[in-house]
Amino acid sequence: EDKVVQSPLSLVVHEGDTVTLNCSYEVTNFRSLLWYKQEKKAPTFLFMLTSSGIEKKSGRLSSILDKKELFSILNITATQTGDSAIYLCAVSNSGYALNFGKGTSLLVTP
Amino acid sequence: DAGITQSPRHKVTETGTPVTLRCHQTENHRYMYWYRQDPGHGLRLIHYSYGVKDTDKGEVSDGYSVSRSKTEDFLLTLESATSSQTSVYFCAISPLDRGATGANVLTFGAGSRLTVL
Repeated sequence: EDKVVQSPLSLVVHEGDTVTLNCSYEVTNFRSLLWYKQEKKAPTFLFMLTSSGIEKKSGRLSSILDKKELFSILNITATQTGDSAIYLCAVSNSGYALNFGKGTSLLVTP
Repeated sequence: DAGITQSPRHKVTETGTPVTLRCHQTENHRYMYWYRQDPGHGLRLIHYSYGVKDTDKGEVSDGYSVSRSKTEDFLLTLESATSSQTSVYFCAISPLDRGATGANVLTFGAGSRLTVL
């Protein structure tokens, strides 16, 4: 059975801190790993990673995949209150759907 | 929300009543999905569709049925709602590019909050 495990489940930091969110997986026929951000409503797409060791960056957010050790991390530097959200990790295999982890709830306090 | 609309957005119903949630897309994507989101469980797949009249079950399909008679519409039906089906339901769509990247980027609707009393 495919598994996607995120840690920590929740996190509280101060504005300006750097955070690292973790996602490990056990998936048959791995294709890609995706990160989503969910604020009050729909999850919105952040990154997709398919190759090991290649960092994806978007402003203060970055992510990297390790296909040998089966994990990914999402880094957020210089956090802001607007980064408060649930961050979801999902894995795509040879099937049609994404398999999601339970998410990490991040709260950034002023 | 990128051409995907869910209705109703909020619904309160009683145990034993039938409920239908609708997902409508204007992106002409082949693949459509219904997920539910509950505290402590994350997003779990209920059913998905890979074409008109082509559907399959996800990990939490018991008590739910779906139909897709047109590319743009995917309906989720609870034949007889139970309190355990109180949840937020998300529809998602995907073009599912199985090319070099193996990309399957889902785009989500705004969600439908269902409360079963």
